[in-house]
Amino acid sequence: QLQLQESGPRLVKPSETLSLTCTVAGGAISSSSYYGGWIRQPPGKGLEWIGSMYYGGSTYYNPSLKSRVTMSVDTSKSQFSLKLRSVTAADTAVYYCARHYLLWYFDLWGRGTLVTVSS
Amino acid sequence: EIVLTQSPGTLSLSPGERATLSCRASQSVSSNYLAWYQQKPGQTPRFLIYGASSRATGIPDRFSGSGSGTDFTLTISRLEPEDFAVYYCQQYASSPWTFGQGTKVEIK
Repeated sequence: QLQLQESGPRLVKPSETLSLTCTVAGGAISSSSYYGGWIRQPPGKGLEWIGSMYYGGSTYYNPSLKSRVTMSVDTSKSQFSLKLRSVTAADTAVYYCARHYLLWYFDLWGRGTLVTVSS
Repeated sequence: EIVLTQSPGTLSLSPGERATLSCRASQSVSSNYLAWYQQKPGQTPRFLIYGASSRATGIPDRFSGSGSGTDFTLTISRLEPEDFAVYYCQQYASSPWTFGQGTKVEIK
């Protein structure tokens, strides 16, 4: 059973870059069905898809965030990474990584990590 | 972008009652590419339904999904205490993949 775990700084200053890593355990991410996705949830609000990435390198970003987002993958470490540049308080949220099955639904989720943007 | 609107915002029901949650799309969701998730306070979303009506592995049969085109429904036939939560729909017919704003099912 695949397990996903987010890691990274919990506090980021305004205008800086938010960086998170998702480590996948229990299986190879280099499979034909594996896309890694990032979803965020501001406190008390709903879910927003940020972007998804195939282990082979193809990326898909939400147009609303595309200018600030970069995703990458390290298959040797079974990790997906997210970078969100020029953050503001509006980027404060719980960030989840998830398996984006065939770019359809998100069937496996990490526990999520709260990232706060504050000086 | 397909916008999903869920109603009602909050549903107040008692254990044992039937819950009917609606998800309406701003345009047709092709191939009924719609999923549902459950989220309890402080927890990760749990994948429930895909393809509008197929239950994910391990999901009890009191959860059922239906609908097509622009109108979809999640029904919980008899509410158990552990079912009180927020439910989200998500479309995967086209990018960007979008979620509804959620329906909270609370204990009356």
